[in-house]
This record gives sequence, structure tokens and C-alpha cells, in this order.
Amino acid sequence: AQSVTQLDSQVPVFEEAPVELRCNYSSSVSVYLFWYVQYPNQGLQLLLKYLSGSTLVKGINGFEAEFNKSQTSFHLRKPSVHISDTAEYFCAVSAHMNTGFQKLVFGTGTRLLVSP
Amino acid sequence: DAGITQSPRHKVTETGTPVTLRCHQTENHRYMYWYRQDPGHGLRLIHYSYGVKDTDKGEVSDGYSVSRSKTEDFLLTLESATSSQTSVYFCAISREGGADTQYFGPGTRLTVL
Repeated sequence: AQSVTQLDSQVPVFEEAPVELRCNYSSSVSVYLFWYVQYPNQGLQLLLKYLSGSTLVKGINGFEAEFNKSQTSFHLRKPSVHISDTAEYFCAVSAHMNTGFQKLVFGTGTRLLVSP
Repeated sequence: DAGITQSPRHKVTETGTPVTLRCHQTENHRYMYWYRQDPGHGLRLIHYSYGVKDTDKGEVSDGYSVSRSKTEDFLLTLESATSSQTSVYFCAISREGGADTQYFGPGTRLTVL
């Protein structure tokens, strides 16, 4: 079964510094990969997704992620963070259910804390 | 922002009482989902719907039922609430399943005493 591991529960960083949020997945078949962001007291919104093609995916708000099939990773990066990037970030992988439907399996989340 | 509302936004109830949460969308999307979010677990799928009156179970469906009588409304019912169902519940919608982007509602915080 597909699963997602986000090794870092919390990542503190100073404003304007670069950041990388790590995501590893397990799957024996081709997958779709996603990063969602959740700002305080809000629902999730899509940052970016990988379906196929170029392994470097660019998303909103200056974020990008790189799909690495050999390392089964999909790390999220931003070269210079802002205070407003403080949020929780979720990595997700598509997974087939017995019905044939593809659901999303979410990681446990990484809280990004940006300080001045 | 996708037009998704959830009601109520906050609810406190007692063990054993029935609870119904409502998700309403104005986007005419085919798929609707109910998730619960708990610390250390991320989001887990409870039930989903792929059309009016077409629903199926997710990974944590025990103790929950759903109904979808109209495209725009997806109801989640806890027949007899338990303390383990204290959580934040999110509704999501998408045009198609699979890799299609899911749009999330603002969430409902449910506390079962």
C-alpha cells in the first residue's frame, strides 16, 4: 500500500533563508504526488503536483519540488521564505483503492515556522 | 477560492448523541470527500462521493455514514458520537477523481465530551 513519510514534524527557519521540507513515499507503481499547504484555521490548498514529465515542478508562492524516483522522494523547496509562509505543509500520494478509485494518502505534516 | 462551505464550524456534543455535518459547494464538482484531521495522522479519508447518491467508504469509515441527495450537498453523520471522533473535519471537492486537484472547505471542529 502506498504511504508517505514526512520526517520533520517542525522546521524553524529565519526569514529570507532557504528551506527544504522532506517527503518520502512508498509505492511499487507509478504515482501522482502533491504538496498542500494549510494556513492557521484554514483548509488545505494545493501548492503543486507531479503527474508526469519534468521532475522539477513549480508551484504557487515560489515553491518548487523535485520528483526523484530512485530515492522515492518529493522534497519541497523555496529559496527565500517569508513570514507569511508560516503554515503546515502536507505531502500526499495517490493510492488505488479496491474499487479502482484513486484516493490521496497524506503525510503527517511539517510545520514551517518562519521568524524575523 | 472554491465555493465550499461547512456547517457548523464548531460543535460540542455529548457521547451517544447523533451529529450531522454539512458540506455545501457552488462549483458543481462531481466528487466530494470527507476527511478527518488528527495530530500525528495528517488527513484520513472517511467517505467520498462520485455523484448524486453514489458514495463509498474511505479508510476510516466505521461509525460514520454519508448521504448526497443533491450535487451541491454532502452530509456526514455520526450516528452515535464517541470521544474518539473528536477531530477537525474537512470537506473537499474535485471535478474528477485521481490526480485532479482537491479544494478544501474551512473545516468543522467537533468535540465529543
